Amino acid sequence: NAGVTQTPKFRVLKTGQSMTLLCAQDMNHEYMYWYRQDPGMGLRLIHYSVGEGTTAKGEVPDGYNVSRLKKQNFLLGLESAAPSQTSVYFCASSKPHLRWKGTEAFFGQGTRLTVV
Amino acid sequence: RKEVEQDPGPFNVPEGATVAFNCTYSNSASQSFFWYRQDCRKEPKLLMSVYSSGNEDGRFTAQLNRASQYISLLIRDSKLSDSATYLCVVNNGNQFYFGTGTSLTVIP
Repeated sequence: NAGVTQTPKFRVLKTGQSMTLLCAQDMNHEYMYWYRQDPGMGLRLIHYSVGEGTTAKGEVPDGYNVSRLKKQNFLLGLESAAPSQTSVYFCASSKPHLRWKGTEAFFGQGTRLTVV
Repeated sequence: RKEVEQDPGPFNVPEGATVAFNCTYSNSASQSFFWYRQDCRKEPKLLMSVYSSGNEDGRFTAQLNRASQYISLLIRDSKLSDSATYLCVVNNGNQFYFGTGTSLTVIP
């Protein structure tokens, strides 16, 4: 079972370049998330989606855009990369959350992005 | 104020020791709670969910105190393979909130 798959796994960008990170899940999950993880900061939510065609901002959305055209895919775009966006990016997916009955988040293997 | 706070450690313990991690959350309306494990340079993976009644999975015991907004994880008889970062996670509906993680190293 593939679960959540992220591509690419590694990337080096020059300042000002653009790129798209792809997240694909095969678990038919409604909810999908993009996080970044930096030393000492933990995982911070960039954007998320509660269903096909919907997106919402998280804690740190500036400099990023997302799209959820298909239920199984969630794309994260960097229009003009900056060194501050050097980080490890994780995609996750989950079922809709039922009150008092938690549903776990499943993570992809991460994308290590360096902006020089 | 952060949604989830936990002691970053590091905790360095000998094999066979018992170690406890604690976590607090700020939103009293939080609905579900988890402990995740993250190995170096890997993705987080669910260790266990946390319920008010407390739950146990082998050497691991998790507790939730809603009145104090406090979550704990107890690891008994620590193994070398338990070395990792443990993340406290809270779900408020549409979003998961993560603590910064507590680093554990089990020493031979």
